[in-house]
Amino acid sequence: AQSVTQLDSQVPVFEEAPVELRCNYSSSVSVYLFWYVQYPNQGLQLLLKYLSGSTLVKGINGFEAEFNKSQTSFHLRKPSVHISDTAEYFCAVSEDTDKLIFGTGTRLQVFP
Amino acid sequence: EAQVTQNPRYLITVTGKKLTVTCSQNMNHEYMSWYRQDPGLGLRQIYYSMNVEVTDKGDVPEGYKVSRKEKRNFPLILESPSPNQTSLYFCASSLDRAYDEQYFGPGTRLTVT
Repeated sequence: AQSVTQLDSQVPVFEEAPVELRCNYSSSVSVYLFWYVQYPNQGLQLLLKYLSGSTLVKGINGFEAEFNKSQTSFHLRKPSVHISDTAEYFCAVSEDTDKLIFGTGTRLQVFP
Repeated sequence: EAQVTQNPRYLITVTGKKLTVTCSQNMNHEYMSWYRQDPGLGLRQIYYSMNVEVTDKGDVPEGYKVSRKEKRNFPLILESPSPNQTSLYFCASSLDRAYDEQYFGPGTRLTVT
């Protein structure tokens, strides 16, 4: 069965520093992978997704993620964060057309 | 404006009093789903629907019902709410499949006392 592990529940970082949010998944078949962001008091919105093709995926707001099949990982990165990136970030996986499984989330706190 | 709407946004109720949370999308999406968000547990899928009259259980369906009589609407029904259903609920829709971009509603914060 598919599952997602987000290794860090909170990541504090200073503004303009790089950040990596880690995500590992478990699946016995090919998967589709996603990162969603939730700003305070809002619903989630898609940051980026991997369906197939290039393993480096670029998303909105300068974020990117790399699919690593051998390590079953899909870590999210940004070279220089802004205060406005403060939010909760969710990794998600789908094995098929029906279900989408989310991780427990990582709260990114950017300090000035 | 393309959007998913949920009503009500906030609801406080008592144990056992039936309630319905409505969800509507105006994007002609086939796929709709309900999630609950709890601290430390992330989002967990309650039910999903791939088309009108087609619904199926997610990971945490106990205590919930749904219906999909029209493409645009996907209400979540709690026949006899209990305190452990206190949570933040999100409705989402996508074009066709779970792996299409999910568009989320603003959320409904439910408290059951």
